[in-house]
Amino acid sequence: GESVGLHLPTLSVQEGDNSIINCAYSNSASDYFIWYKQESGKGPQFIIDIRSNMDKRQGQRVTVLLNKTVKHLSLQIAATQPGDSAVYFCAENRDSGGSNYKLTFGKGTLLTVNP
Amino acid sequence: GAVVSQHPSWVICKSGTSVKIECRSLDFQATTMFWYRQFPKQSLMLMATSNEGSKATYEQGVEKDKFLINHASLTLSTLTVTSAHPEDSSFYICSARGEGETLAGGPGSYNEQFFGPGTRLTVL
Repeated sequence: GESVGLHLPTLSVQEGDNSIINCAYSNSASDYFIWYKQESGKGPQFIIDIRSNMDKRQGQRVTVLLNKTVKHLSLQIAATQPGDSAVYFCAENRDSGGSNYKLTFGKGTLLTVNP
Repeated sequence: GAVVSQHPSWVICKSGTSVKIECRSLDFQATTMFWYRQFPKQSLMLMATSNEGSKATYEQGVEKDKFLINHASLTLSTLTVTSAHPEDSSFYICSARGEGETLAGGPGSYNEQFFGPGTRLTVL
């Protein structure tokens, strides 16, 4: 079935380096993508999102890139800090009928930042 | 930003008992609330979608008689795990979505879901 997946389950970086977390999706009907950060024992925290009519969006220290041709999404974190250590999920948002939009989450990447 | 709370944050119960988890939107009206389940080191799996005043829509494989969802007001949804068993032990997370783009910021955001902090359920 269609799903959202990740290339790398774990990523370890040095403090101050840039991090890139990747995500592949297969549902071409998805029109909205979101990156979430989840710390241990907590709910997901919104990081950044992007609509399918865009290919890049920047936030504070984060950038999301969307390549619809190869159905690939990435999250770039600049100057990674220890506080960035968490599991990162990509999610796709698709209309499930009526006014409901359901999120399908990828498997997650554990980012570890070494001091 | 929009805040969603869950209560309790953790609960331990005996097998066969029922447990109710509350999800509240604190500063906005949530027309739609979602319930997810997350097992250790796994992703979030959507269990059901509930719209205020109507019956919940369950995902395939989720037993509606076991996981009772009530969305009686625009700020409260409850998930009741009936006759809980050890295999129901999990991290239950709710999210809430308001109307249109009024809650989201920036040109790329719409229909954003705001997540609660989760409830850790352990069934002995």
